[in-house]
Amino acid sequence: GEDVEQSLFLSVREGDSSVINCTYTDSSSTYLYWYKQEPGAGLQLLTYIFSNMDMKQDQRLTVLLNKKDKHLSLRIADTQTGDSAIYFCAEIPNSGYALNFGKGTSLLVTP
Amino acid sequence: DGGITQSPKYLFRKEGQNVTLSCEQNLNHDAMYWYRQDPGQGLRLIYYSQIVNDFQKGDIAEGYSVSREKKESFPLTVTSAQKNPTAFYLCASVPGGTPNQPQHFGDGTRLSIL
Repeated sequence: GEDVEQSLFLSVREGDSSVINCTYTDSSSTYLYWYKQEPGAGLQLLTYIFSNMDMKQDQRLTVLLNKKDKHLSLRIADTQTGDSAIYFCAEIPNSGYALNFGKGTSLLVTP
Repeated sequence: DGGITQSPKYLFRKEGQNVTLSCEQNLNHDAMYWYRQDPGQGLRLIYYSQIVNDFQKGDIAEGYSVSREKKESFPLTVTSAQKNPTAFYLCASVPGGTPNQPQHFGDGTRLSIL
């Protein structure tokens, strides 16, 4: 099947903004998700966006959705060292019952 | 507090041995999932269960088995037929019957071969 695509690595300086991009596969996916995984831990739901929205903001997080291009992005404002983690984009394809994940983007925040 | 508990956190398997990973949730969620994560990979679905006494194979079910005798519990057995079991295993659950609810994850079990 088709893959959810993400770039594998991103490095930013503390205080800068981070933008993590994702291309998903199913244009009929109703919800799209961003999860965060810290080393040795499970996945923590960061935020999600409904497909009839273009943007969702939640404190330092901004999600942008371009349905035409099947492109999703996560912007983290004022990135902190505690934001260093792997970020996964995920969709539930139409008629599916489980999440379809990208391979994850490793975010490294340097002082 | 409600959540998903996976145990053990670390597990070692000898050649030819079956091992069982535990997943328990007290969120009253209907659906539960098992994923496998390899380094540099996304999560791949092993099995899922939408209701008690029912479960379906995911993308990589070969060498694994599950049961769902209770709503709270969804144990995963890694059998000797799984030739490359070393990975990080994650259990997740979701409320209700609608598939678009966000999934909640446990903290994972890391399985290694002795």
